[in-house]
Amino acid sequence: QKEVEQNSGPLSVPEGAIASLNCTYSDRGSQSFFWYRQYSGKSPELIMSIYSNGDKEDGRFTAQLNKASQYVSLLIRDSQPSDSATYLCAVLLGSSASKIIFGSGTRLSIRP
Amino acid sequence: ETGVTQTPRHLVMGMTNKKSLKCEQHLGHNAMYWYKQSAKKPLELMFVYSLEERVENNSVPSRFSPECPNSSHLFLHLHTLQPEDSALYLCASSQDLIAYYGYTFGSGTRLTVV
Repeated sequence: QKEVEQNSGPLSVPEGAIASLNCTYSDRGSQSFFWYRQYSGKSPELIMSIYSNGDKEDGRFTAQLNKASQYVSLLIRDSQPSDSATYLCAVLLGSSASKIIFGSGTRLSIRP
Repeated sequence: ETGVTQTPRHLVMGMTNKKSLKCEQHLGHNAMYWYKQSAKKPLELMFVYSLEERVENNSVPSRFSPECPNSSHLFLHLHTLQPEDSALYLCASSQDLIAYYGYTFGSGTRLTVV
């Protein structure tokens, strides 16, 4: 089992709709959870971090964390073509707290 | 300059060349990292430095040699690379070794080995 799993996509969403990206992780002791956005040929950019169960909202982005289910998600409301990118889920492991493990990423495409 | 700066942005090198990648962070962070990102693969952690001391080396071939002269600078020295080493090399930093707030990445160096 991979430590951080994401569906590779591509996920195609119409402009203006809600894009929903999902991620599961294996280490129950994990303490910090992140979503990075990576445009093609560019470096990852941190867009959301979440540390406790529930929802965290920042503009059009909402991160959701459920530690019991070991599940993290990212919702993007009112999707724009500029949201088309690969989204990386990342988890700070509890067992080896110096290491952040990245998922392989979900490619999101917003169609006009 | 702010954030994490990497140079060069692009590098083409022959298999017999020696080159170095440079990373500089202006965030006052104490930990720095080298990652490799190949096409359609997850980010691979290569090296971790905390306060200039190497704390992790993830079974990276010896043709990659890191150097951290101080907490703001990190180098990756390259020699006798193989074509499969072509990838995006990313430098990152975090406040502390326990990266509770995540990493800040540099813009990366796109390396092509010919």
